[in-house]
Amino acid sequence: DQQVKQNSPSLSVQEGRISILNCDYTNSMFDYFLWYKKYPAEGPTFLISISSIKDKNEDGRFTVFLNKSAKHLSLHIVPSQPGDSAVYFCAASANSGNTGKLIFGQGTTLQVKP
Amino acid sequence: DSGVTQTPKHLITATGQRVTLRCSPRSGDLSVYWYQQSLDQGLQFLIQYYNGEERAKGNILERFSAQQFPDLHSELNLSSLELGDSALYFCASSRGQNPKTYEQYFGPGTRLTVT
Repeated sequence: DQQVKQNSPSLSVQEGRISILNCDYTNSMFDYFLWYKKYPAEGPTFLISISSIKDKNEDGRFTVFLNKSAKHLSLHIVPSQPGDSAVYFCAASANSGNTGKLIFGQGTTLQVKP
Repeated sequence: DSGVTQTPKHLITATGQRVTLRCSPRSGDLSVYWYQQSLDQGLQFLIQYYNGEERAKGNILERFSAQQFPDLHSELNLSSLELGDSALYFCASSRGQNPKTYEQYFGPGTRLTVT
């Protein structure tokens, strides 16, 4: 049962353009969402997050949007840079149990072409 | 460098064998998490320890077990290995438990190949 889904395995964009990565979830108990970025041969690193009480969070070139009614979130990268080429994972947390358990999607490989 | 170390980096073993993966968390972090990433899969949460105690369990197989020691390092034991256990195993650590407050830092992973 995949509670967090990233339906696009890959995305290719031109440098300077916008990258939009999408994520859907099914569990309405999720109240916190995160995006992680992963380069080859490295572990994932935290990128940006959003609480379910917000619909938008921005950090520099990265913005995450949350649509609770649609159970959908997206990560926008503007402008995209070649160094952004990596695998992006969406993750969710339902912290009612006060644990750090994160549920991850399958990941989307972003390629930014110079 | 996240500050989380995992050993070994690579492990090749045969079906039916048992292996131990080791994780040293960042200095001061009390919580350790284990995740499995199989081919074309996202990271699957296996288990979490906080200050030596098990705090959350995911879909961890009965053949797998873990523990966190008094010095806070953790070990993941995989036994009766099957071909399907071939995967990247990540360890992460955080100071506390609430992901809204405490970021999880991931190690570089251990790549396990079962032949």
